[in-house]
Amino acid sequence: AQSVTQPDIHITVSEGASLELRCNYSYGATPYLFWYVQSPGQGLQLLLKYFSGDTLVQGIKGFEAEFKRSQSSFNLRKPSVHWSDAAEYFCAVAPGFQKLVFGTGTRLLVSP
Amino acid sequence: DAGVIQSPRHEVTEMGQEVTLRCKPISGHDYLFWYRQTMMRGLELLIYFNNNVPIDDSGMPEDRFSAKMPNASFSTLKIQPSEPRDSAVYFCASSGTSGGARYNEQFFGPGTRLTVL
Repeated sequence: AQSVTQPDIHITVSEGASLELRCNYSYGATPYLFWYVQSPGQGLQLLLKYFSGDTLVQGIKGFEAEFKRSQSSFNLRKPSVHWSDAAEYFCAVAPGFQKLVFGTGTRLLVSP
Repeated sequence: DAGVIQSPRHEVTEMGQEVTLRCKPISGHDYLFWYRQTMMRGLELLIYFNNNVPIDDSGMPEDRFSAKMPNASFSTLKIQPSEPRDSAVYFCASSGTSGGARYNEQFFGPGTRLTVL
């Protein structure tokens, strides 16, 4: 079955430091991949998506992600983290028409 | 647009009671999704509709759960009778199709936090 794995439950990063959140997917065909962010008490917001083409995709809030087929990965990055980035981040794959399967999430903590 | 609207935002009820969660999708969107989020199971798709018709309800946990979409601007998720293990945050999301694309961005509501005592 199609799935995504986020191996890190929690990550703590100092403000201003770079960030990389890991995501590995399991999918037979070309996957549609996504990163969503959930701030406390809020719904999910789409950060970026990959459908095809350039493997480095840019998203909102200064985030980017790189699709690596050889590693079945779609890691999220940001060069300099701000305190407002503290949230939970979800990787997701679209295995079928209009459906999403989410990973378990990574909670990002930003230290001063 | 106001975005996806869910009500109530918080619901506390006792075991055995009926619970109804409500969702108003973004105007013009023709897909509507219900998700459940728990610490143990993460974010799970329960059911989704297209043009008010249920397309896939394979994620509905059991017969105590039912969902309806009587029109394009309103959907309900009902739990009857409720149990403590139903305690979770329930999200509604909607999306609009464009040109038959395989996937269109889903916009999420703020969620309903359900506590069953």
